[in-house]
Amino acid sequence: KQEVTQIPAALSVPEGENLVLNCSFTDSAIYNLQWFRQDPGKGLTSLLLIQSSQREQTSGRLNASLDKSSGRSTLYIAASQPGDSATYLCAVRAGSYQLTFGKGTKLSVIP
Amino acid sequence: NAGVTQTPKFQVLKTGQSMTLQCAQDMNHEYMSWYRQDPGMGLRLIHYSVGAGITDQGEVPNGYNVSRSTTEDFPLRLLSAAPSQTSVYFCASSPTPGQGHAETQYFGPGTRLLVL
Repeated sequence: KQEVTQIPAALSVPEGENLVLNCSFTDSAIYNLQWFRQDPGKGLTSLLLIQSSQREQTSGRLNASLDKSSGRSTLYIAASQPGDSATYLCAVRAGSYQLTFGKGTKLSVIP
Repeated sequence: NAGVTQTPKFQVLKTGQSMTLQCAQDMNHEYMSWYRQDPGMGLRLIHYSVGAGITDQGEVPNGYNVSRSTTEDFPLRLLSAAPSQTSVYFCASSPTPGQGHAETQYFGPGTRLLVL
């Protein structure tokens, strides 16, 4: 059974700092990996999707990398801002259309 | 586009009552799914559908029914509510699965359910 782990569970950084969020998965036979953002009391917003054949994807200040063989992905956020404060979730798709989610990293960016 | 909409936003039920959580999308997406989110458990898939008339079970289907009579709507029915079904429920949709970046999932705002 696929398991997705996100470390750390919570992270607090000062504004302007670059930071990395980690995601690991136990079964490397995945089709893709997605990073989502969830604000308190809200739904999830997709940030980046990486296909299994890709190594990274970039969108603005966000860069996600994927090392399928080692079962790891990172989300890099450059020049963090208070508006980046949210919970970040990663999810993998393997086999069927089901996504398996990690429990998330709660990020706080301090002004 | 309204995207993915869910109603109601919040609901209180008594044990044994039944109800339907509504989900609709206006993006003509083939794939729709229901998740529940519980503290310390993350999001878990309840049921999903790859097109009208086709549904399948996810990780935690017991106590829930779904149907998909149209592309737009994917209601989730609680047959006999139990306190263990207290949770936040999210509906999601995406274009045809297996189409690369078209698999990006769009989530609704959620329904908060409290079962007493």
